[in-house]
Amino acid sequence: GNSVTQMEGPVTLSEEAFLTINCTYTATGYPSLFWYVQYPGEGLQLLLKATKADDKGSNKGFEATYRKETTSFHLEKGSVQVSDSAVYFCALGAGGNTPLVFGKGTRLSVIA
Amino acid sequence: NAGVTQTPKFQVLKTGQSMTLQCAQDMNHNSMYWYRQDPGMGLRLIYYSASEGTTDKGEVPNGYNVSRLNKREFSLRLESAAPSQTSVYFCASTPGPGNYNEQFFGPGTRLTVL
Repeated sequence: GNSVTQMEGPVTLSEEAFLTINCTYTATGYPSLFWYVQYPGEGLQLLLKATKADDKGSNKGFEATYRKETTSFHLEKGSVQVSDSAVYFCALGAGGNTPLVFGKGTRLSVIA
Repeated sequence: NAGVTQTPKFQVLKTGQSMTLQCAQDMNHNSMYWYRQDPGMGLRLIYYSASEGTTDKGEVPNGYNVSRLNKREFSLRLESAAPSQTSVYFCASTPGPGNYNEQFFGPGTRLTVL
């Protein structure tokens, strides 16, 4: 079946450090890929998405590229801020009536 | 637009009590979902409704029932709460089936079962 594997956290970085959170997937067909962010005490909100191979999603300085050859969708940011502290979820959409499949989430803490 | 709203925000129950978690969306979305979030487990799908009048089980449906009351509302019922159901519950909606569709999440209900 379809699945998403993302790196386990927590990840702790200093402000202005480079961030990578790895995400790989298993799916049949051509899924869409998403990154969601959950700030403390809130629900999830979409950070970025990519709907086909080689697409790059970007938002708020975060980027991720849909790599079909490596079945990956790694999240990157060049310079993190304290306000980026949150839990990040990678997700896969396989189409039709199937709900999104989520990874287990990676907690990021950025310290000043 | 309020988006996805959930009530209550917090709830404490005793083992064996029942309650219904309410969810409503004002975006005219077709599909709605209930998840639970536990530490280290990520999000797990309880039930979903691909369209008004249909419901399907997700990964962890045992101990729960759902009702898609109309297009706007999708409720989750715990008939006899157990401590293992202590969790944060999220409702979500999406315009319809399709792998391009973003899911919109509510703020969550924090449930403790003693």
